Amino acid sequence: NAGVTQTPKFQVLKTGQSMTLQCAQDMNHNSMYWYRQDPGMGLRLIYYSASEGTTDKGEVPNGYNVSRLNKREFSLRLESAAPSQTSVYFCASSEVGGNGNTIYFGEGSWLTVV
Amino acid sequence: SQKIEQNSEALNIQEGKTATLTCNYTNYSPAYLQWYRQDPGRGPVFLLLIRENEKEKRKERLKVTFDTTLKQSLFHITASQPADSATYLCALDVSGNTPLVFGKGTRLSVIA
Repeated sequence: NAGVTQTPKFQVLKTGQSMTLQCAQDMNHNSMYWYRQDPGMGLRLIYYSASEGTTDKGEVPNGYNVSRLNKREFSLRLESAAPSQTSVYFCASSEVGGNGNTIYFGEGSWLTVV
Repeated sequence: SQKIEQNSEALNIQEGKTATLTCNYTNYSPAYLQWYRQDPGRGPVFLLLIRENEKEKRKERLKVTFDTTLKQSLFHITASQPADSATYLCALDVSGNTPLVFGKGTRLSVIA
């Protein structure tokens, strides 16, 4: 009954440090997503993977990289963290993208860059 | 430019009343519109989906309407309860195989 699992839940980074947010889903979904959520800005798409082996940029991809490791896992990497990347990050998945498919979200990762 | 607007950042209503939340969009032609609920510290959870050829959809105390001429969806919670307090997000399904685009959400507080 896990759904979408993302780790870590909380992380504090120093400016310039790197880190990877991990995400896995157990629903055999084809599409996976990374969103960030900031006060007053709503959910904004960073990157998505429509299917295993593909990744595409979303609305705010700068400063991030992603890897679709296999069908289950989709990681988000910050190579050199900046204070502007302080946010709540949500991983999500859907059976396919669009076409009325609903999105299932993880519980979020709170990242603070100091 | 394309835009999704949810009528207000916050809405306070009294328990038992009907809450109405609005989602307006411009320069989109969505095939579907979805509503999600988000509790503090949690990820959004899907509530309802309505298709472009449907005028209204109901689920228990929830009702969603979709007017493609007005480019607007209304989300109603009847007989509201304090447990309905949360942030509600609308999301547009703008074309096949494209990720959903979310509005900023409306934070609903139901006061006992």
